[in-house]
Amino acid sequence: QVQLQESGPGLVKPSETLSLTCTVSGGSISSYYWSWIRQPAGKGLEWIGRIYTSGSTNYNPSLKSRVTMSVDTSKNQFSLKLSSVTAADTAVYYCARVLPVWDAFDIWGQGTMVTVSS
Amino acid sequence: AIRMTQSPSSFSASTGDRVTITCRASQGISSYLAWYQQKPGKAPKLLIYAASTLQSGVPSRFSGSGSGTDFTLTISCLQSEDFATYYCQQYYSYGLTFGGGTKVEIK
Repeated sequence: QVQLQESGPGLVKPSETLSLTCTVSGGSISSYYWSWIRQPAGKGLEWIGRIYTSGSTNYNPSLKSRVTMSVDTSKNQFSLKLSSVTAADTAVYYCARVLPVWDAFDIWGQGTMVTVSS
Repeated sequence: AIRMTQSPSSFSASTGDRVTITCRASQGISSYLAWYQQKPGKAPKLLIYAASTLQSGVPSRFSGSGSGTDFTLTISCLQSEDFATYYCQQYYSYGLTFGGGTKVEIK
């Protein structure tokens, strides 16, 4: 069955760029939308954006100026870059698959904690 | 952005209870609503999409209803494994938004 695994640095300095990768296993990355969602400790969920395997993207307007997503179909991976990070970007970051037709998230990675601190 | 408001934010219930969680959208979202269950330290799990369609593998004691601005998630007979936090999410417009969550605790 399809599984997702996030990877990347757990600690990022303020003003730098957070970079994460999600590896898709057990199935093809093609023909789906893929998303990033984050959750600060003890708080709710925030959608960051989504990318199609063609490279087409939609971003959360509140983060759009700082977010870049990309996809590498040859590696079955997609990635997130969030620039100019502050402590407010400290959160667990999840990658997820978007259910076709319905923009719900049917498969999630386990999540990776990213702390922004000097 | 469309604001999703869940109520209550938390409550206590007993195994076997019938429980209902409400989610209200700040504007009409048709049936573009999903419900998730999240347990501590785990990723959310999709329960329901399209307001009332049960995701594959989810027990039938979970059900969803509503359209427009008002939605409910019902658990017909609460089981021990159902104590968790539940989130609604709208996908009517971007940015997609989640409710603040409802924590179901053991009485």
